[in-house]
Amino acid sequence: GAGVSQSPSNKVTEKGKDVELRCDPISGHTALYWYRQSLGQGLEFLIYFQGNSAPDKSGLPSDRFSAERTGGSVSTLTIQRTQQEDSAVYLCASSRTGALGTGELFFGEGSRLTVL
Amino acid sequence: QKEVEQNSGPLSVPEGAIASLNCTYSDRGSQSFFWYRQYSGKSPELIMSIYSNGDKEDGRFTAQLNKASQYVSLLIRDSQPSDSATYLCAVNRDDKIIFGKGTRLHILP
Repeated sequence: GAGVSQSPSNKVTEKGKDVELRCDPISGHTALYWYRQSLGQGLEFLIYFQGNSAPDKSGLPSDRFSAERTGGSVSTLTIQRTQQEDSAVYLCASSRTGALGTGELFFGEGSRLTVL
Repeated sequence: QKEVEQNSGPLSVPEGAIASLNCTYSDRGSQSFFWYRQYSGKSPELIMSIYSNGDKEDGRFTAQLNKASQYVSLLIRDSQPSDSATYLCAVNRDDKIIFGKGTRLHILP
């Protein structure tokens, strides 16, 4: 498809397990973001990739969170030793340019993570 | 001070009236400002972007920017029930985009 694709759409896991969330951005988009949205809350910035530059990891809440982007395309967000407070919708977005360009973000449908 | 602040609402506006949504930001270096709309259970979508002081109009939507006051607003004229959603203000911090918590808007039929 032409949009941002995320998988899985839903993930239920037990506390202490590791999870991987995948994002396939729009082809040709150099910027890729991960955000987290808890119920009824805004979008919490997690990490930002722009081209081949080092990612901006300033939003990652703890060292249990990590992300990579292979070949400037697909990205994986990994949460180790999940905790109940990690339960949220994880949204991936891509953009043709960085924020100083048009800045329009195209979002995927999100991955809803529930930690029991 | 939070980076991007919005009143969480809900803001209730009668159908046909003007809805006014406000946002303040803390980084004086921000240059790009956006309003995204998010329907319940859906992902956000861009509705307006603004980069210069003043007003920018697009159909029923007008974005207003005042960099001296670090203030961005969104006006929705002739509000429709389909405008009921959460409106997220976003600004750039360096080359990335930071969001506020959003204002829930409810248009009363």
